[in-house]
Amino acid sequence: EAGVTQSPTHLIKTRGQQVTLRCSPISGHTSVYWYQQALGLGLQFLLWYDEGEERNRGNFPPRFSGRQFPNYSSELNVNALELEDSALYLCASSLRPDGSYEQYFGPGTRLTVT
Amino acid sequence: GQQVMQIPQYQHVQEGEDFTTYCNSSTTLSNIQWYKQRPGGHPVFLIQLVKSGEVKKQKRLTFQFGEAKKNSSLHITATQTTDVGTYFCAPDTGNQFYFGTGTSLTVIP
Repeated sequence: EAGVTQSPTHLIKTRGQQVTLRCSPISGHTSVYWYQQALGLGLQFLLWYDEGEERNRGNFPPRFSGRQFPNYSSELNVNALELEDSALYLCASSLRPDGSYEQYFGPGTRLTVT
Repeated sequence: GQQVMQIPQYQHVQEGEDFTTYCNSSTTLSNIQWYKQRPGGHPVFLIQLVKSGEVKKQKRLTFQFGEAKKNSSLHITATQTTDVGTYFCAPDTGNQFYFGTGTSLTVIP
C-alpha cells in the first residue's frame, strides 16, 4: 500500500512570492491534515480537510489556505511568503474521523524562504 | 484553549538506561496518541490510548493513560540506539490536532 506522498520535496522561494504544496493521501483515507514544523520545533496544526471541506484551521493567518479535491488529494497555498515561513510542511491522512484519528504522515516538503 | 505540556524537552541517556516522557493536559482528553519522529524523518504513529488508566505495551515501550485522562506517559526500558528520535504526544480534542512539544531522546552508545 502506497503511503502519503508530498511534492515537491524541497522548495526555495523569495519573500513575497506564493507557493503551492501538494499531498496525496493513502488510498481510502478521506481526511487530510497539514502541519508546519519549523527547524527544531514541534508540529503546529495548520488545516484539516475532510470530504472536500475545510473542517478546521489552526492559529495561522489567512495567507495560509488550501483545498481538497474530489480524489481527496490536497493543496496547501501560502501567499506573500515571509522568512519565518521557512519550515518543513507535513501532510498527514487518516480514515474518516469517526473514532480513530491515527494519522499517517508524508515525508514533507522543505520550504526555504530567502 | 488546549494546553499540552510535554516534559522533558531533551533527554540524553546511556544505552541500556530507561527513559520516560510525560504529557500533561489542562483538560480531560477523549484519547491520546503517541508518535515518534526519527531525525530527518516524519512522525510515525505508535499507539492510541482511550480508556482511563489504560496501559499498553509494545516490546520495550510502555504507554500509560492517567486515571483522570489528563496525562500520559511513555516509558522505554533498556534504551537502544534505534530509540533515538523525538517522541510526541497528540491529545484528541475533537476538532483540533495538537501535538505536544516533544521530547528529543539521544542515546549514547
